[in-house]
Amino acid sequence: GENVEQHPSTLSVQEGDSAVIKCTYSDSASNYFPWYKQELGKGPQLIIDIRSNVGEKKDQRIAVTLNKTAKHFSLHITETQPEDSAVYFCAASMGNQGGKLIFGQGTELSVKP
Amino acid sequence: GAVVSQHPSWVICKSGTSVKIECRSLDFQATTMFWYRQFPKQSLMLMATSNEGSKATYEQGVEKDKFLINHASLTLSTLTVTSAHPEDSSFYICSATGGLQPQHFGDGTRLSIL
Repeated sequence: GENVEQHPSTLSVQEGDSAVIKCTYSDSASNYFPWYKQELGKGPQLIIDIRSNVGEKKDQRIAVTLNKTAKHFSLHITETQPEDSAVYFCAASMGNQGGKLIFGQGTELSVKP
Repeated sequence: GAVVSQHPSWVICKSGTSVKIECRSLDFQATTMFWYRQFPKQSLMLMATSNEGSKATYEQGVEKDKFLINHASLTLSTLTVTSAHPEDSSFYICSATGGLQPQHFGDGTRLSIL
């Protein structure tokens, strides 16, 4: 079955710097890759997603890139702010946006003011 | 944006009792709902997939008689933890999807069994 590896497990940056989180997946049939932000005591919140027919997608300070050949995708956050501090999860699905998600292990991002 | 409401947010009960958790999609029809379990500082572990009007599909190692799932309508799914014991204590999270909606998550239920 599908396996998603995520790194780093923790990431600390200064406010204003960029943060990059990387994920790899094992099954080339995966076609949908969302990123979620989870704050303490809350459920994950979708922040951006990308489909396998697109190489890059951007939404203000957040961007995601996908390399299907290498089977990896990355989350880029620019101009980080303290409120970006949270745990971020990548995921992969073979059933588009409605399919079962396989999650990475999570990255705890800390943005220091 | 789409909202998924989960209730209760926190419950404490005695060992041996059953606990029901509700998951509602508030502004879209959720043809599929998922139930996850999350341990502290760990990722989300999928427990089961629930399609409206059908029996839930459980992941390997998840006891279907222990974790009863009902998805009788397009806006509501319930998870009942039967005869709960301390090892069932965890953070349970639901998600919902339907049509072109991606998975939207509830805010979870923290279950503590004494």
